[in-house]
Amino acid sequence: GAVVSQHPSWVICKSGTSVKIECRSLDFQATTMFWYRQFPKQSLMLMATSNEGSKATYEQGVEKDKFLINHASLTLSTLTVTSAHPEDSSFYICSARGTGGIGELFFGEGSRLTVL
Amino acid sequence: AQSVTQPDIHITVSEGASLELRCNYSYGATPYLFWYVQSPGQGLQLLLKYFSGDTLVQGIKGFEAEFKRSQSSFNLRKPSVHWSDAAEYFCAVGARNTGTASKLTFGTGTRLQVTL
Repeated sequence: GAVVSQHPSWVICKSGTSVKIECRSLDFQATTMFWYRQFPKQSLMLMATSNEGSKATYEQGVEKDKFLINHASLTLSTLTVTSAHPEDSSFYICSARGTGGIGELFFGEGSRLTVL
Repeated sequence: AQSVTQPDIHITVSEGASLELRCNYSYGATPYLFWYVQSPGQGLQLLLKYFSGDTLVQGIKGFEAEFKRSQSSFNLRKPSVHWSDAAEYFCAVGARNTGTASKLTFGTGTRLQVTL
């Protein structure tokens, strides 16, 4: 089956620094990837849609300058949390759209960000 | 816009007992329907999906779900729960009018606890 990998799985950083999270589709090419944010004991909230070779599409209320998304290749999308603050602490999950059928989603393992 | 309701926030069942997790959706037509499972600190794993055809769908780990159009429901069932099934379960809806199942709306999740 399709495999999506995220790195790092967890990261701790100081307030004001930037953190980059990678999302890779390991055995298929993903023209579209999605970034979700999950608060403790809550559901997943879609942050943005990442399309290879073009700008990401952000959901309403998501700061595009705070959460920079780059999808430079068919197997890699990155989310950079810039000037991180404690309120950015969360679980970030990426997913990649499969190429077959109707393009169902395959999810990464998630990345837990803690900002001190 | 579509929406998903999972009425049960937390369910506890004994190992070996049957399980039913409820999911109701709101959508103008027949949506794509999914059930995902999330273990603590992990990403999402697809249990099963409904696109069309037989309304009773079989998934992995012995789970099944039945799409009932008249009730706008897609409840997840398992005849005998194992302790390893303890996790968070998410129902999700994808809009058919997008042409793909990519942009999903998730329910708030149901946390399953299994007692021995």
